[in-house]
Amino acid sequence: KQEVTQIPAALSVPEGENLVLNCSFTDSAIYNLQWFRQDPGKGLTSLLLIQSSQREQTSGRLNASLDKSSGRSTLYIAASQPGDSATYLCAVLYNQGGKLIFGQGTELSVKP
Amino acid sequence: DTGVSQNPRHKITKRGQNVTFRCDPISEHNRLYWYRQTLGQGPEFLTYFQNEAQLEKSRLLSDRFSAERPKGSFSTLEIQRTEQGDSAMYLCASSSDRGRETQYFGPGTRLLVL
Repeated sequence: KQEVTQIPAALSVPEGENLVLNCSFTDSAIYNLQWFRQDPGKGLTSLLLIQSSQREQTSGRLNASLDKSSGRSTLYIAASQPGDSATYLCAVLYNQGGKLIFGQGTELSVKP
Repeated sequence: DTGVSQNPRHKITKRGQNVTFRCDPISEHNRLYWYRQTLGQGPEFLTYFQNEAQLEKSRLLSDRFSAERPKGSFSTLEIQRTEQGDSAMYLCASSSDRGRETQYFGPGTRLLVL
């Protein structure tokens, strides 16, 4: 069964810290992996997409890495800010045009 | 490009009533997805359209649920005889078969069944 797991479920850090969110997937034959941000009661905002042939992607203070062989991805957030507080979701696409399989999310709180 | 839009944003209904949600995808996107998200969980796939053809349906989509995408443009998701367990956020996403397979999500419709 294709499953995606995110650890931890919740994380609280002081402003300015660098942090890492983890995502693992059971089937390594992925097409791509996306990281999303979700604010309370809102839809999903795409942050980064990593193709299966790539090792990492960067956007501003965000860096996502992918290790297919170990079935893992990490989202690194540098110099965290209170505005980064949200739920971060990892999702895997196994087939072109197919459905995304999501993890449960990590709820991040950055304290001023 | 105005993004994916969904209407209504919120819906409160009584158990047993029918509800219909609408999704307007990004205009050049030929793929459209419906997902359902309950509190504290990641979204779960419901169904997928390529143009007007419904290509995949999850077993979560019971016979009380039906989705359409006439003319390959907007889509509707109808729930008949709603149950309290249908209370959730219903998310729509769209993508293009000519890109990197990025799915872009709408703001969602929050359904509460009393």
